Amino acid sequence: DVKVTQSSRYLVKRTGEKVFLECVQDMDHENMFWYRQDPGLGLRLIYFSYDVKMKEKGDIPEGYSVSREKKERFSLILESASTNQTSMYLCASSSAEGKDEQYFGPGTRLTVT
Amino acid sequence: RKEVEQDPGPFNVPEGATVAFNCTYSNSASQSFFWYRQDCRKEPKLLMSVYSSGNEDGRFTAQLNRASQYISLLIRDSKLSDSATYLCVVNEPGYSGGGADGLTFGKGTHLIIQP
Repeated sequence: DVKVTQSSRYLVKRTGEKVFLECVQDMDHENMFWYRQDPGLGLRLIYFSYDVKMKEKGDIPEGYSVSREKKERFSLILESASTNQTSMYLCASSSAEGKDEQYFGPGTRLTVT
Repeated sequence: RKEVEQDPGPFNVPEGATVAFNCTYSNSASQSFFWYRQDCRKEPKLLMSVYSSGNEDGRFTAQLNRASQYISLLIRDSKLSDSATYLCVVNEPGYSGGGADGLTFGKGTHLIIQP
């Protein structure tokens, strides 16, 4: 069974803190994605990666960075958390074709106070 | 980024009824289409892919109309457990400069099945 895991289900951080969200997939997928989901706004793509050490900006990359040192792991970094980054963060992966379905992790609900 | 439009609902439907959703997409080059289901506070999960010839999986039927650029999902004999948000998803060929595809998600249609 395919599996995407995320390091935390719930996280509470203070404004200005550096935040790391980790995602691991066991499907040997080339592509990995980070989204945030907010009520009324749907899923919005932050960053994605189609190979180790490769990264590309999505639709809303400001305030975020990513790291992909190993194929199975994709990290999202909030350099200095702000209250408007309070959201549900979802990681996903897909095979190299790219137009295939994406498999999602369970999500991390981040609250920045 | 191209658009995928859905009626957000909510659709309140009595148990056992048939319900249908549509979604429209703007990128005529899109090649892959999906319906995802998302339960409250959970991650989206693939419900079914949508093929050009249409496809059926039990009580669920998906149709694609390329000429009009819309996708539909029909649920027959609805169950209480069908209550969820249904996301229409379309691929974006060459989304990245590296040539990789992306997926564009609609904002979802909220379905409530009532006993």
